[in-house]
Amino acid sequence: EVQLVESGGGLVQPGGSLRLSCAASGFTFSSDSMNWVRQAPGKGLEWVSYISSSSNTIYYADSVMGRFTISRDNAKNSLYLQMNSLRDEDTAMYYCARESKAAATVDYWGQGTLVTVSS
Amino acid sequence: QSALTQPASVSGSPGQSITISCTGTSSDVHGYNYVSWFQHHPGKAPKLMIYDVSERPSGVSNRFSGSKSGNTASLTISGLQAEDEADYYCSLYTSGSPVFGGGTKLTVL
Repeated sequence: EVQLVESGGGLVQPGGSLRLSCAASGFTFSSDSMNWVRQAPGKGLEWVSYISSSSNTIYYADSVMGRFTISRDNAKNSLYLQMNSLRDEDTAMYYCARESKAAATVDYWGQGTLVTVSS
Repeated sequence: QSALTQPASVSGSPGQSITISCTGTSSDVHGYNYVSWFQHHPGKAPKLMIYDVSERPSGVSNRFSGSKSGNTASLTISGLQAEDEADYYCSLYTSGSPVFGGGTKLTVL
C-alpha cells in the first residue's frame, strides 16, 4: 500500500525557515517523480514544486521561486521542502503527492502537515 | 495558466445524481485531455477519482464518472451515498505541472 507521511510543519515567524519531510513507503520511491501541493485556509489547492525521480528536473511555482527548495534522498525514501523567507501567505497545509507514471496526474497524496506563518 | 472554475457547493439526496463542473478556457481544458478529479475528506489525504477526463483508477466506484465538453469538464456521481460528502477538486496538467480548481463542497442531504 502506498503511504506518504508528511512532517515538519509548525508555527514560524515571518522571514523564518522550516523544512518539511515526506516519508514514502509501499512503492519504489526512487522510480517516481514527486510534488508538493499546498492548501491555504479556506482556499483551493495550489501546486508548489516538482522533482523528478533522479532530481535532474525541478520546477517551482512562481509564488515560491527563490525561497523554497525541493530535494529528495532516494536511499531514505524521503522527499523534502526547505522553506526560507516565509511569508504570511505561505500559511497552508502542505501535501506531498506522487506523480503518476500512467497518466498526467498525481495519484497518491499524504495527509499533509500544517505550516503557520505568524508573528 | 489561469485557475479552473468550480461551483463552491452542490448538494443532493441519497440515491440521486449530481454533476460538478470545472470550467477553463479554450487554451487549456478544451485543448487537453489531462483532467483529473480528486475527492478530499477534511483531515485525510486527497484521493484520485478520475484521470484523463474519464478514466477511473482501480478501486474507484463506477458511480463516479468524468466527461468533457468544450471548455468544461464534469464529474458526475450517481447513486449518492453519505460517504460521498467531501470536497472535490478538478485539475489540469498542461505545462508539466497541475493547475487546480477552487474546489466544490458536496453535501449529501
